[in-house]
Amino acid sequence: AQKITQTQPGMFVQEKEAVTLDCTYDTSDQSYGLFWYKQPSSGEMIFLIYQGSYDEQNATEGRYSLNFQKARKSANLVISASQLGDSAMYFCAMRKGETSYDKVIFGPGTSLSVIP
Amino acid sequence: GAVVSQHPSRVICKSGTSVKIECRSLDFQATTMFWYRQFPKKSLMLMATSNEGSKATYEQGVEKDKFLINHASLTLSTLTVTSAHPEDSSFYICSAGGHRSGRVRGEQFFGPGTRLTVL
Repeated sequence: AQKITQTQPGMFVQEKEAVTLDCTYDTSDQSYGLFWYKQPSSGEMIFLIYQGSYDEQNATEGRYSLNFQKARKSANLVISASQLGDSAMYFCAMRKGETSYDKVIFGPGTSLSVIP
Repeated sequence: GAVVSQHPSRVICKSGTSVKIECRSLDFQATTMFWYRQFPKKSLMLMATSNEGSKATYEQGVEKDKFLINHASLTLSTLTVTSAHPEDSSFYICSAGGHRSGRVRGEQFFGPGTRLTVL
């Protein structure tokens, strides 16, 4: 069965510094996708970054980068130059398969607080 | 702009009543929609997968008769919480997948969520 683990329930980071949020996953599938979402207190799910299982290069999107280590089954999110608006819940998620019709399961989340 | 809407955004109801939540894809045909439930400070838990024109597939442990899902058109899926009780109070989120070019391969688009409170 697929499973996502996020071992950091809460994290603090100083404004303007970088922070790494951990994510490990378990799957026996060869084809899958990994996502990171941000959920502020409003509840909306904001897509941040995506990594396909066959993508050889680590994904980057502005201040977000994904440190993908396939053999270790880890997909850590790195946020550079943290901003106060980055304070939110962050969820790592995995999709089985490559289509939008495939199920997505979520990790337990990490609450990030950015300190001025 | 938003590509998936949910209505209502908030609902308060009395115990024993039924509540219907709508999930609409605004600018694409969503052949598949997913319904999630989220308790405070917890993660999203997939409840069911709904495919247009067919019965929904429920995840293990989710009561089919309690959470009725209908996906009658390519732009609308509904979740009805029947005979709601206080323990059904939660944040319900839908997502939609279909023929819309997203930023990434196979992206699903999330609705803004519906907060249900059962008194």
